[in-house]
Amino acid sequence: EVQLLESGGGLVQPGGSLRLSCAASGFAFSNYAMTWVRQAPGKGLEWVSGISGSGRDTLYADSVKGRFTISRDNSRNTLYLEMSGLSAEDTADYYCAKGQRIGTLLPDYWGPGTQVTVSS
Amino acid sequence: QSALTQPRSVSGSPGQSVTISCTGTSSDVGAYNYVSWYQQHPGKAPKLMIYDVTKRPSGVPDRFSGSKSGNTASLTISGLQAEDEADYYCCSHAGRLYVFGTGTKVTVL
Repeated sequence: EVQLLESGGGLVQPGGSLRLSCAASGFAFSNYAMTWVRQAPGKGLEWVSGISGSGRDTLYADSVKGRFTISRDNSRNTLYLEMSGLSAEDTADYYCAKGQRIGTLLPDYWGPGTQVTVSS
Repeated sequence: QSALTQPRSVSGSPGQSVTISCTGTSSDVGAYNYVSWYQQHPGKAPKLMIYDVTKRPSGVPDRFSGSKSGNTASLTISGLQAEDEADYYCCSHAGRLYVFGTGTKVTVL
C-alpha cells in the first residue's frame, strides 16, 4: 500500500525558513517523480514543485522559484522541500504526491498534508 | 502559469448526471492527453479520479468519466450519489510545468 506522510509544518515568522519532509513507503520510491502541491486556506490547489526519480531534474512554479528547493534522499525514501523567504502568501497546507507513472509529475497518491502558517 | 478555468459550482439531485468543464489553452489542456481529475472532501487530501483524460484508477466507480475536446476537458458524474458531494479539480501539463483548475464544488441536492 502506498503511504506518504508529510512533516515539518508549523508557525514561522515572515522572512523565515522551514523544511518539510515526506516519508514514502509501499512503492519503489526512486522510480517515481514526486511533487509538492499546496492549498491556501479556503482556496484551490496550486502545483509548487516537482523532482525526477533520480533527483537530477527539478521544476518550480514561478511563485516559489528562487525561494524553495526540492530534493530527495532515495536511500531514506524521503522527499524534502526547503522553504525560505516565507511570506503570508505561503500560508497553506502542503501535500506531497507520487507521480502516476515513471516520468510524470501528475500525482496519483497524496499524503494527508502538513500545515504551514506564516505570521508574526 | 494561469489556472485552468472551472465553474465555481454545479449541483444535481441523486441519480442525475453533472458535468464539470475545465478550460485551458492550446499550451496546456489542448496540447496534451494528460488531464487528471481529483476529488477532495473537506479536510481531506485530494484523490485521483481520472487520469490521461479518460482512464479510471482501480476502485473508482464507473459513474465517473472523462473526455476532452480541443482546449476543454470534462468530468461527468452519472447517477449522482450523496458521497460525490465534494470539490473537484482538473490538472494538466503546461509545457514543462503543471497547472490545476480553479476547482468546482459539486452539491448533491
